[in-house]
Amino acid sequence: ETGVTQTPRHLVMGMTNKKSLKCEQHLGHNAMYWYKQSAKKPLELMFVYNFKEQTENNSVPSRFSPECPNSSHLFLHLHTLQPEDSALYLCASSQDQGDVETQYFGPGTRLLVL
Amino acid sequence: ELKVEQNPLFLSMQEGKNYTIYCNYSTTSDRLYWYRQDPGKSLESLFVLLSNGAVKQEGRLMASLDTKARLSTLHITAAVHDLSATYFCAVVASGTYKYIFGTGTRLKVLA
Repeated sequence: ETGVTQTPRHLVMGMTNKKSLKCEQHLGHNAMYWYKQSAKKPLELMFVYNFKEQTENNSVPSRFSPECPNSSHLFLHLHTLQPEDSALYLCASSQDQGDVETQYFGPGTRLLVL
Repeated sequence: ELKVEQNPLFLSMQEGKNYTIYCNYSTTSDRLYWYRQDPGKSLESLFVLLSNGAVKQEGRLMASLDTKARLSTLHITAAVHDLSATYFCAVVASGTYKYIFGTGTRLKVLA
């Protein structure tokens, strides 16, 4: 595997379910990011981790819970989501936070909450 | 609060024509990025602009940055169908690690 991978690519869940999104980067980067992309809205930064430490939480509801066990892996745990949480969730990584080298994005997980 | 606005939101143009996409941001930023997203795909980095007056070119795309005007442009020269995609600009507010994205410009190049 190369670059940034995300699993699953598609997910349908009910509002009472608990699920997790996984992101893995194979680039040796130190920073990882979660974004939400909804139709007709700008890409929204959710969380930033640098060297496994959370450095940004962009006022995200607690039903989204991130986890970063090491610099290569990032999870987004989901529970009691709402239909308006349906979106494309993108993971990205970069060499360092705010590094000029730019972010590399994964293919995304398309989430549908019923 | 840092805001990033792009215009136009939608752009339909004929092959061979030139056009410019504009990206305005509301406060001081350390750097500005341009990305491309094809339908159903993820974002692909195009350019990173770091300083006032920076200009970068790749093929038919050229990006520039005016930090005094808080404006970046993405100029398309002699458009071809393969350039059809959504283009996003993004800035990082000075002193933070927050990437703020613009609304995107959906470009369609007609044959």
